[in-house]
Amino acid sequence: DGGITQSPKYLFRKEGQNVTLSCEQNLNHDAMYWYRQDPGQGLRLIYYSQIVNDFQKGDIAEGYSVSREKKESFPLTVTSAQKNPTAFYLCASSVRDSSSYEQYFGPGTRLTVT
Amino acid sequence: QKEVEQNSGPLSVPEGAIASLNCTYSDRGSQSFFWYRQYSGKSPELIMSIYSNGDKEDGRFTAQLNKASQYVSLLIRDSQPSDSATYLCAVNGGGSQGNLIFGKGTKLSVKP
Repeated sequence: DGGITQSPKYLFRKEGQNVTLSCEQNLNHDAMYWYRQDPGQGLRLIYYSQIVNDFQKGDIAEGYSVSREKKESFPLTVTSAQKNPTAFYLCASSVRDSSSYEQYFGPGTRLTVT
Repeated sequence: QKEVEQNSGPLSVPEGAIASLNCTYSDRGSQSFFWYRQYSGKSPELIMSIYSNGDKEDGRFTAQLNKASQYVSLLIRDSQPSDSATYLCAVNGGGSQGNLIFGKGTKLSVKP
């Protein structure tokens, strides 16, 4: 089955710890995205990658880092510098980073930091 | 600041009725428009995309786009209780890039 997987589904961490969220896709999509969703809020773009070994900051990149070493994988690290890390994190992918192509989402990771 | 506005709802309709969801956007350069359905606790699921003015129909769903008015809507005919969810409007952030700007969503409740 083709799709996007994110792991883990739920993640709990103590304040001050870095944590890495996994995102893998087997759709052969070039573009991948990370969004954050807070209750009652729209999704906000954290980082996106158009191609392997290249990525760009989105609207709320502070306190986050990413890598794109493989086409299939786009992990997101939430660092201790992120002031309000508790949120629902969503990974998406698209054939290309273009307005002509649709984005599809993985199941998400719900991160709680206490 | 590019914005996408939606009425937060909740929008309540009886089973079998037409649900009408509306969205306005600020960037005239936007080229692509999407509707996602999000059930509580789940990730968004793409249900419609529209790129040119007019109507696009897919089963019980019709997306309508009016670029001059910067307005996009989603009609759900013969609404079912299973349609109860939050509907997110997303618009590409201008130009040819794929970055999406999302509205906060409209919560739809379909009453049996």
